[in-house]
Amino acid sequence: EDKVVQSPLSLVVHEGDTVTLNCSYEVTNFRSLLWYKQEKKAPTFLFMLTSSGIEKKSGRLSSILDKKELFSILNITATQTGDSAIYLCAVFGNKLVFGAGTILRVKS
Amino acid sequence: NAGVTQTPKFQVLKTGQSMTLQCAQDMNHNSMYWYRQDPGMGLRLIYYSASEGTTDKGEVPNGYNVSRLNKREFSLRLESAAPSQTSVYFCASSEALFQTERTFGSGTRLTVV
Repeated sequence: EDKVVQSPLSLVVHEGDTVTLNCSYEVTNFRSLLWYKQEKKAPTFLFMLTSSGIEKKSGRLSSILDKKELFSILNITATQTGDSAIYLCAVFGNKLVFGAGTILRVKS
Repeated sequence: NAGVTQTPKFQVLKTGQSMTLQCAQDMNHNSMYWYRQDPGMGLRLIYYSASEGTTDKGEVPNGYNVSRLNKREFSLRLESAAPSQTSVYFCASSEALFQTERTFGSGTRLTVV
């Protein structure tokens, strides 16, 4: 059965800290891995990664995929209170499977 | 640009009542989806529609039915609500079934008492 596991389940940091969110997976016929940010309402798309070792960057957010070890990390540097959200990892194999998410709270 | 619009945003039902959640997208997407989100369990697929005129079961279809009314609209019906269906429901759409990026609606918070 396809599985996506995110860790930690939640964390609290102070503004300016750097955080690393983890996503490990076991899926059949891997196609891509996606990261979403979910604030109060709809999940919004952050990144899609398809090839191992490719680092995606968008401002203070970056992500790396390791297809050999079957995991991805999402890094957020110089965190701000606006980064507080649930971060969802999803992996597309024969179907799209979501992890349970990591709840990030950034304190001012 | 509205994207994916869901109604209602909140609903409280009594056990055994029925209701329909509405979803519409204005992006000319072919594929549409219904997910439920429960604490600690991520987003789970209830039903999906690869294209107008087709619907298929996802991971957790029991207790639900869907209708793909036209290309824009995809509704989710609970015929006899149960407390286990208390959840947040999200509609989503994508250009094609195997396009990985989905656009989500803002969700419906449903409580069944």
